[in-house]
Amino acid sequence: DVKVTQSSRYLVKRTGEKVFLECVQDMDHENMFWYRQDPGLGLRLIYFSYDVKMKEKGDIPEGYSVSREKKERFSLILESASTNQTSMYLCASSSRQGSGTDTQYFGPGTRLTVL
Amino acid sequence: GENVEQHPSTLSVQEGDSAVIKCTYSDSASNYFPWYKQELGKGPQLIIDIRSNVGEKKDQRIAVTLNKTAKHFSLHITETQPEDSAVYFCAASKGSNYQLIWGAGTKLIIKP
Repeated sequence: DVKVTQSSRYLVKRTGEKVFLECVQDMDHENMFWYRQDPGLGLRLIYFSYDVKMKEKGDIPEGYSVSREKKERFSLILESASTNQTSMYLCASSSRQGSGTDTQYFGPGTRLTVL
Repeated sequence: GENVEQHPSTLSVQEGDSAVIKCTYSDSASNYFPWYKQELGKGPQLIIDIRSNVGEKKDQRIAVTLNKTAKHFSLHITETQPEDSAVYFCAASKGSNYQLIWGAGTKLIIKP
């Protein structure tokens, strides 16, 4: 079974703190994603990585950065956390086999609260 | 920009009845349409998907239909059971760059 793990299930931080969210996948997937999930808004893509050290901005990258130094690990960084970044953060990975979009496998999510 | 509209936002059905969730997409280049189920405390999980060269796909109690002309696709669940209670998301591929455009989600409640 594909496994995507996220470093924390729940996190509470203060405004202005630097926050690191870690994601690890064990299926040698090329693609990794960071989403933010808010009620009524579905999943919004923050950043996407298709290879080590490669990244693309998603729909809402402002206030976030990412790092992918190893194929299995994709980190989301909030440089200076703000209250409007309180949300559920989901990491996902997928294979880049063939030419079509492939199944995304999700981690359990990290619920971040910024006070 | 591209978007996916999903309806209804909440759906309550009697156990044993059928449930239908509908989505409309805007990107004519979309060619892959997955449906994900998210149970409480878990990440979304793929339950069924359909590609643009197919009009309908079925897997036991779950089926998906696609109308490319109208840019509509729907999830049908028959003989609903308590374990079907969850949030369901539809999505459409964004061109061919492995990204998905997501609907807002439907909370499905199965009444005993």
